[in-house]
Amino acid sequence: GENVEQHPSTLSVQEGDSAVIKCTYSDSASNYFPWYKQELGKRPQLIIDIRSNVGEKKDQRIAVTLNKTAKHFSLHITETQPEDSAVYFCAPPGGFGNEKLTFGTGTRLTIIP
Amino acid sequence: NAGVTQTPKFQVLKTGQSMTLQCAQDMNHNSMYWYRQDPGMGLRLIYYSASEGTTDKGEVPNGYNVSRLNKREFSLRLESAAPSQTSVYFCASSEAAQILNTGELFFGEGSRLTVL
Repeated sequence: GENVEQHPSTLSVQEGDSAVIKCTYSDSASNYFPWYKQELGKRPQLIIDIRSNVGEKKDQRIAVTLNKTAKHFSLHITETQPEDSAVYFCAPPGGFGNEKLTFGTGTRLTIIP
Repeated sequence: NAGVTQTPKFQVLKTGQSMTLQCAQDMNHNSMYWYRQDPGMGLRLIYYSASEGTTDKGEVPNGYNVSRLNKREFSLRLESAAPSQTSVYFCASSEAAQILNTGELFFGEGSRLTVL
C-alpha cells in the first residue's frame, strides 16, 4: 500500500503571507495527486489536483507542484486569508490498480489576522 | 441535487450494540466509500465499492460490514460496537470505477458515532 507523509502537521502564518504544505508518497505508480480542505466541523472538499503529466497547476491563490522523481507534491497558498484556516489533506492513490486514495494525516493551517 | 447524504448525523451506542450507517448519492456515481476520521489520523478507508455488486476491504475493515444495496446506496454496519469504533464516519462517492480516471471524491456531511 501507499505510505503517505504530510508536513508540517500544524502551520500558522500571518494573513497575507504564503503557506506551503508538502506531501511525500511511496508508490511510484501514482499519477494523480489531489489536495482536500476540511473546515472545522465540515466535510472534506477537493480544492486542487494534478496529474503526473504536468509539473505545476495553479488556480487563483492556490497551486500544486509535483516532483515525481523525488515522490513529493506540495500545496502552495499565496496571500492567505482567514477563510484559508482549515485542515488540508493530500491523498495520492496507491496500491495495485490505484483504486484507493490514501489520505495523509493532515495539516492544520491557522491564519493569524 | 443533494449529493451524498448519510444518516444518522449523531449516534450514541453502548458496547455490543449494533447499528447501520446509511449512505445514498444522487450523482449516478459508480464508486462509493466509507472512511473513518480520528484526531491526528487523517481519513482511513474502511471499505469501498468500486462498482455496483462489488465491495472490497480498505485499510481498517475489522469490526465492520458493508452492503452495496444498489448503485445509489452503500451502508456500513457495526455488528457489535466497541469503544475503539468511536469516530466520525464519512461516506463518499466518485464517478469512475477507478478513482484514477476522474479523481474527485464527494463526501457526505459525516456521522459522529460514540460507543460507551
